[in-house]
Order: sequence, then C-alpha cells, then structure tokens
Amino acid sequence: ILNVEQSPQSLHVQEGDSTNFTCSFPSSNFYALHWYRWETAKSPEALFVMTLNGDEKKKGRISATLNTKEGYSYLYIKGSQPEDSATYLCALLYGQNFVFGPGTRLSVLP
Amino acid sequence: GAGVSQSPRYKVTKRGQDVALRCDPISGHVSLYWYRQALGQGPEFLTYFNYEAQQDKSGLPNDRFSAERPEGSISTLTIQRTEQRDSAMYRCASSLVWQGGVEKLFFGSGTQLSVL
Repeated sequence: ILNVEQSPQSLHVQEGDSTNFTCSFPSSNFYALHWYRWETAKSPEALFVMTLNGDEKKKGRISATLNTKEGYSYLYIKGSQPEDSATYLCALLYGQNFVFGPGTRLSVLP
Repeated sequence: GAGVSQSPRYKVTKRGQDVALRCDPISGHVSLYWYRQALGQGPEFLTYFNYEAQQDKSGLPNDRFSAERPEGSISTLTIQRTEQRDSAMYRCASSLVWQGGVEKLFFGSGTQLSVL
C-alpha cells in the first residue's frame, strides 16, 4: 500500500509569518502529485498539479516545489493571513486513483 | 451542474440497514471517484469510474460496499447491512477526463453517514 506522509500534522503561525510544510512519498514510479486546500465544512479545492521533477508552481502567496528523485514536495505560504487557515492535503497518483496524505492543519492567528 | 452534487448531505441510519449515497458529477466529467474521510484524516480511496466502467474498486473495504454508474453520469455508492464502523464522510470527486493524473479533482460537499 502506498504511503503518503505529511508533516507537520498541525501548525500555528502568526499573521504575516511565512511557513512551509512537506509531503513525502515513495520516489519510485512517480506520475503526478496534487495539492488541495480544504477548509472545514467545505470541499477540498485543487491548488496545484505537479508532474515534473523540479516543478515550481505559484498561485498568489502560495507556491509549491517538487523533488521526485528524493520523494518530497514543499508547500510554501508567504505572509500568512487568517483566511489561509485550512488543512492542506497532498495526493499522489497511484495507478488511476489518488492516494491522499493525512494533511497539515494550518491555523493563522490574527 | 455547476459543481459536484452529493445527496443526502446527512444520513443517519440504524445498524443493519442499507444506504445509498448519490453523486452527480460536473456535467461532461468522465472520471468519477468515491472517497471516504474519517474525522481529521485525508480522503481514503474507495473506487473509480471512467464513464460507466468501474476501473478500480480495490479500495472498497468489503463486499457490503458496491458502486455503480450505469449511464456514465450519476453514481450511487451502496452500503449494505451498515455497521457503526461505516460512519464517516463519503466524498465524491470528478474530473474532466483521464489524462495521466494531471486533471485536478473537483470534490462534492460529501455525505456524512452516521450509523447508530
């Protein structure tokens, strides 16, 4: 069974701080990795789709990098805002389905 | 529709009863996934359809769980003889077309199932 790990499990930062968290996965047979943002009581929403080693994606203050050779992806948030508070999920393509990590719960304190 | 629609939003049932959970994907989306999500956890894969064909059902926990998508659009996840351990949020997701995993998933609001 494929194991996708995320760290830390939860994170509390002050408004304005920059932060980052990690998604780790087996480096063999990599095809694609997705990042999703999930607010409580809402549905997960896609942030990034990453496929190539060295990929860097950016959306506003949020960016992500991918290292398929060593099996990790970083998600960065610059200048965190309270509205960034959510759980951030990564998902690895496995066969034709996606295996999700447990998520990193981010709380941004005003 | 504008988004992935799931019904019912909440389902409370007694142990031993059968339940049917419905997913109406975004119009034109070919791929449809069912996930189960325990509180505080990431989604756990159950099954996947391309059009009406069930491509992968390896995530279904046991034979009490089944899913169908007879016309390649709406899908139903059925749980027979429900048990308390089946209580969870059941989420459906769809994507436009299978393109090697680059198509992002659009999730529904989920059905929160509680088995008493």
